[in-house]
Amino acid sequence: KNEVEQSPQNLTAQEGEFITINCSYSVGISALHWLQQHPGGGIVSLFMLSSGKKKHGRLIATINIQEKHSSLHITASHPRDSAVYICAVRPNFGNEKLTFGTGTRLTIIP
Amino acid sequence: DAGITQSPRHKVTETGTPVTLRCHQTENHRYMYWYRQDPGHGLRLIHYSYGVKDTDKGEVSDGYSVSRSKTEDFLLTLESATSSQTSVYFCAISRSGYEQYFGPGTRLTVT
Repeated sequence: KNEVEQSPQNLTAQEGEFITINCSYSVGISALHWLQQHPGGGIVSLFMLSSGKKKHGRLIATINIQEKHSSLHITASHPRDSAVYICAVRPNFGNEKLTFGTGTRLTIIP
Repeated sequence: DAGITQSPRHKVTETGTPVTLRCHQTENHRYMYWYRQDPGHGLRLIHYSYGVKDTDKGEVSDGYSVSRSKTEDFLLTLESATSSQTSVYFCAISRSGYEQYFGPGTRLTVT
């Protein structure tokens, strides 16, 4: 069983819809990261969080440390949001290394 | 964007040949990482470095070696490439071991 599980693996939605991507993990962590990877493109960091909620534009990330769960929300989705979204956790031990989920492929249809 | 480049960006090589991938940073970050990305798997750590000449193995280090002789360069070497090493390779850097910044990736095909 992977230490980091994401759901769904694939998600297709209409432009304007509210999007939720989930991440569950099994180890104690010091931080959780959400990353974005466009097709054929590099990987960029969206959020790093260890508690509560962070917001950047139309993107919101939340984390519940007790439940070992995080969600990434996109409001008013747009075709340019189409990408793979990757969750990664920093375990409490060996915490200069990240453990990654397999990603959620999001496609927004105009 | 963090100043991080990878070379080459694409490479096709034959089984059994040696291959070296280069990661170069201009940010003077302490930590550098090599990952591979394959369908159905998350990014997997091959090797990482926490300083000049200080390196350690990741979860998929077999068949790979690394060197870091100066802060800005982290080299990944496949001594004898195999088809199972066909992948996209990403380098990442980090100042403190927390947030990581990724390079553009190198697509390697071993025929």
